[in-house]
Amino acid sequence: LAKTTQPISMDSYEGQEVNITCSHNNIATNDYITWYQQFPSQGPRFIIQGYKTKVTNEVASLFIPADRKSSTLSLPRVSLSDTAVYYCLVGDMFSGGYNKLIFGAGTRLAVHP
Amino acid sequence: SAVISQKPSRDICQRGTSLTIQCQVDSQVTMMFWYRQQPGQSLTLIATANQGSEATYESGFVIDKFPISRPNLTFSTLTVSNMSPEDSSIYLCSVESLRLFGGNEQFFGPGTRLTVL
Repeated sequence: LAKTTQPISMDSYEGQEVNITCSHNNIATNDYITWYQQFPSQGPRFIIQGYKTKVTNEVASLFIPADRKSSTLSLPRVSLSDTAVYYCLVGDMFSGGYNKLIFGAGTRLAVHP
Repeated sequence: SAVISQKPSRDICQRGTSLTIQCQVDSQVTMMFWYRQQPGQSLTLIATANQGSEATYESGFVIDKFPISRPNLTFSTLTVSNMSPEDSSIYLCSVESLRLFGGNEQFFGPGTRLTVL
């Protein structure tokens, strides 16, 4: 399982775009990249997942360069409710329903008024 | 998607006692995962529970301390045995679901907040 490295914390203000970069130098060919969000007193929640290039959904965008050794989660126009811990994980997309997630330290994002 | 419930949501226990945490899923799943999250920390995987077989434990976790049951495809229990204050944590269960266009997604329960005095 590839290890991931991300900043421990970030600060932003309402309305700004936030980019959180994750390093995963040992990513394997079958690995995909997934980001989870966790609010206090709740379990993590899936945000976005990708294998290469760019993925966008209603919540965020995920940018993955060609070498796939890093990825960037982009949150457009954050609000106070985006204050949370964000985890980057890599895992085997061909695991057939069994994918053991190993969480790193995550990035604690604080959005200020 | 999957909806997961856990019982109890929180408990305060005396050292030396045991607590069994229940996890119920609204659909049948092959694997269920149990995590621990200590205050201010990330999640640590305790074990993986496959229906009909013994759970697989991660390094640092043993069956005598954290026995797991998986009687059917929608339910699992985790017991925290002979508790000490160091076991005070949030315990979460999760399941994995295949995504429509490839990849996997895990759904987490709300967690059980355990305080050991």
